[in-house]
Amino acid sequence: EAGVTQSPTHLIKTRGQQVTLRCSPISGHTSVYWYQQALGLGLQFLLWYDEGEERNRGNFPPRFSGRQFPNYSSELNVNALELEDSALYLCASSLTRDTGELFFGEGSRLTVL
Amino acid sequence: AQSVSQHNHHVILSEAASLELGCNYSYGGTVNLFWYVQYPGQHLQLLLKYFSGDPLVKGIKGFEAEFIKSKFSFNLRKPSVQWSDTAEYFCAVNAYGQNFVFGPGTRLSVLP
Repeated sequence: EAGVTQSPTHLIKTRGQQVTLRCSPISGHTSVYWYQQALGLGLQFLLWYDEGEERNRGNFPPRFSGRQFPNYSSELNVNALELEDSALYLCASSLTRDTGELFFGEGSRLTVL
Repeated sequence: AQSVSQHNHHVILSEAASLELGCNYSYGGTVNLFWYVQYPGQHLQLLLKYFSGDPLVKGIKGFEAEFIKSKFSFNLRKPSVQWSDTAEYFCAVNAYGQNFVFGPGTRLSVLP
């Protein structure tokens, strides 16, 4: 069974550009979470989608947005990139919003120059 | 809102030493508790989880954790660490219908 897959794995952007990151959850999982892991800052919660709806968002500016598609895959969009957006962006999925554990992808490493 | 704190930022141990990593959370209701590990260059993996029942839970690779409700704690332990346990460890909490909240992580370095 395939795990959580994310794309791209690495990307380099410049300040002011926009980026879209993609995530495919484990088959059958309906809940998708996005986290930012910046150096030394642990996992900062970004967004949570379940059954196509945004359930919660973390303390990030509105230029961080996303959506979940009918097949439960998800994308994270970041507009007007800033240097401090450089981080590993992690996607995780769970079977439903109320069950069990998160399964993480390998992440998308974003570097903003 | 839930929050999770981890007592140590960086722990350095010699092989065969015992390990205890502290984790405290703030939330008044029923929670699920987790420890995740991130080995160098790898993705986050679940070490163990507590949902209900016996407060002493055993996970993979000889790790265990004890849930003490009165102290809002879920400390991770291992009697004898190995060099291969070098990794970053994250405590996480999840309440019913709420998103998962992670602690800041503890970096463990095990010296051979």
